[in-house]
Amino acid sequence: QKEVEQNSGPLSVPEGAIASLNCTYSDRGSQSFFWYRQYSGKSPELIMFIYSNGDKEDGRFTAQLNKASQYVSLLIRDSQPSDSATYLCAVNVNFNKFYFGSGTKLNVKP
Amino acid sequence: DTGVSQDPRHKITKRGQNVTFRCDPISEHNRLYWYRQTLGQGPEFLTYFQNEAQLEKSRLLSDRFSAERPKGSFSTLEIQRTEQGDSAMYLCASSLGGLDLNTGELFFGEGSRLTVL
Repeated sequence: QKEVEQNSGPLSVPEGAIASLNCTYSDRGSQSFFWYRQYSGKSPELIMFIYSNGDKEDGRFTAQLNKASQYVSLLIRDSQPSDSATYLCAVNVNFNKFYFGSGTKLNVKP
Repeated sequence: DTGVSQDPRHKITKRGQNVTFRCDPISEHNRLYWYRQTLGQGPEFLTYFQNEAQLEKSRLLSDRFSAERPKGSFSTLEIQRTEQGDSAMYLCASSLGGLDLNTGELFFGEGSRLTVL
């Protein structure tokens, strides 16, 4: 079992819609959870992180964490074509290693 | 710019040759990570350092791979006797390590793309 699982997609949404990206993790020792965006040929860049159960909002982005279900999600409101990228979920285990999922490719159609 | 820098950005080599990549982290970051990424996959953990100490190395990592961070600043990743399966993007990242949940962000370099012919 992989440490972090994501649906590879592609997930296609029309411009202005809400995109919902999901991630599950296996290690209950995971403390913090990250969403990175990666454009083709570029390195990952952090969108936001969360470590408490519930929702965390930052602009058009909302991260949701449910530790009991070992589930993390990212909602992107008012999706723009510039949001088209691969979204990587990452977890930090015991304040040491970071494990990444394989990423979900998002296509926002104008 | 004080971000993470990697060198070289691209490397083409023939099978069997040795290659070395360098990473300069953000200066105040004590943790440095190496990841490998192939097309359509997420970054795969290779190894990480806290200061000059190599704290963990992936079980999946062949003995042909070695990494150093001699003075707790820059790091090198060497691959000996390269194979075609080593072709990938090698990503370096650094962070402020610690027990503060707010210090865990990884800052990535632009990566070193390796092509083994």
